[in-house]
Amino acid sequence: QKEVEQDPGPLSVPEGAIVSLNCTYSNSAFQYFMWYRQYSRKGPELLMYTYSSGNKEDGRFTAQVDKSSKYISLFIRDSQPSDSATYLCAMSARGSTLGRLYFGRGTQLTVWP
Amino acid sequence: GAGVSQSPSNKVTEKGKDVELRCDPISGHTALYWYRQSLGQGLEFLIYFQGNSAPDKSGLPSDRFSAERTGGSVSTLTIQRTQQEDSAVYLCASSLTIGAYEQYFGPGTRLTVT
Repeated sequence: QKEVEQDPGPLSVPEGAIVSLNCTYSNSAFQYFMWYRQYSRKGPELLMYTYSSGNKEDGRFTAQVDKSSKYISLFIRDSQPSDSATYLCAMSARGSTLGRLYFGRGTQLTVWP
Repeated sequence: GAGVSQSPSNKVTEKGKDVELRCDPISGHTALYWYRQSLGQGLEFLIYFQGNSAPDKSGLPSDRFSAERTGGSVSTLTIQRTQQEDSAVYLCASSLTIGAYEQYFGPGTRLTVT
């Protein structure tokens, strides 16, 4: 079992829809939770970052972390065709693995006009 | 400003050959990371550097893989005696310090072993 599980999709939605992306994890030591966005043939770029449990909002994007359920989510409101990309969740922990990110497989999202 | 750069962008090599992949991190970033992204898979951690030292090499898949960093800047990832299963996109990232949550990624090197 991978430490981070993410449904690869693909997910296809119309413009303006609310998108929900999710990851589950097994390592209770994870404290830092990130969402990266990756366009085709590009490197990933950081979209959202959350420490421990709670919600964080940035414009049309909201990240949620539920450590008790080992479950994180990314919501995209009023989705746009420019949001079409692969979304990767990533996590890290303190201690011996500091600096090492554990990624999900990524969910491929298409927003059609 | 300049981001993380990687070269070559694409590399096709024959099975059994050695390859070197290069990464130029963002100036001033002390931490540097290598990941591998295979088709349909997430990013797989390979190794990271703090300065010129590599505290965690546990992600390197075999002893055919090695990496070094010189001058606290450029890093090279070397794969000896390449195998077809080594075909993947190799991504390099850097961050200001180790443990900084934001890692800045380069565009990757797409390696194809025929």
